[in-house]
Amino acid sequence: GAGVSQSPRYKVAKRGQDVALRCDPISGHVSLFWYQQALGQGPEFLTYFQNEAQLDKSGLPSDRFFAERPEGSVSTLKIQRTQQEDSAVYLCASRRDTGSSYNEQFFGPGTRLTVL
Amino acid sequence: AQSVSQHNHHVILSEAASLELGCNYSYGGTVNLFWYVQYPGQHLQLLLKYFSGDPLVKGIKGFEAEFIKSKFSFNLRKPSVQWSDTAEYFCAVNVYYGGATNKLIFGTGTLLAVQP
Repeated sequence: GAGVSQSPRYKVAKRGQDVALRCDPISGHVSLFWYQQALGQGPEFLTYFQNEAQLDKSGLPSDRFFAERPEGSVSTLKIQRTQQEDSAVYLCASRRDTGSSYNEQFFGPGTRLTVL
Repeated sequence: AQSVSQHNHHVILSEAASLELGCNYSYGGTVNLFWYVQYPGQHLQLLLKYFSGDPLVKGIKGFEAEFIKSKFSFNLRKPSVQWSDTAEYFCAVNVYYGGATNKLIFGTGTLLAVQP
């Protein structure tokens, strides 16, 4: 497809379960970002990849959150031992150029995670 | 820390009314500014962006925004709204510091409802 895709679109987890959220960026896009959007809030930065290198993970809220992009394309955001406060929409965005903000970030549809 | 403030959380307008949504950011250095829109059931899309040059930026669907550096503002305007403009609007800032991420910092969003 032409856009960023994410799967699953919806995920319900019991508290304490591990979850994995997938992002397929636009083909050829070097930069990949993960954001967390709580209800009624704007997206908040979690982490950034340039190709396979995770260059910034300053937004990850705890060590239960882990992201990877091993081949510089598809990325997975993993949340271990989910808590209710992890309930949010997780957005993935990709950008064409390396380190240049002159290109926009293209967003996927998000994964809505609900932790019961 | 850098932040973005959107003053209007909910706006209700009649068709053909004029729109202005406020956005202020707190950061004294170089910034790039964006407005994203999220139509019901769709993902975030770029409406317009400012990098440099003319502070009056024109975007898609008749939207424009003016960057006023002295006021740290980037307000979004449209002279005559349509029912199809019903959406949530997010202001975002991309800050430069130490050659790092270029992550986006978002405001909390403004829900616009246009009544036919």
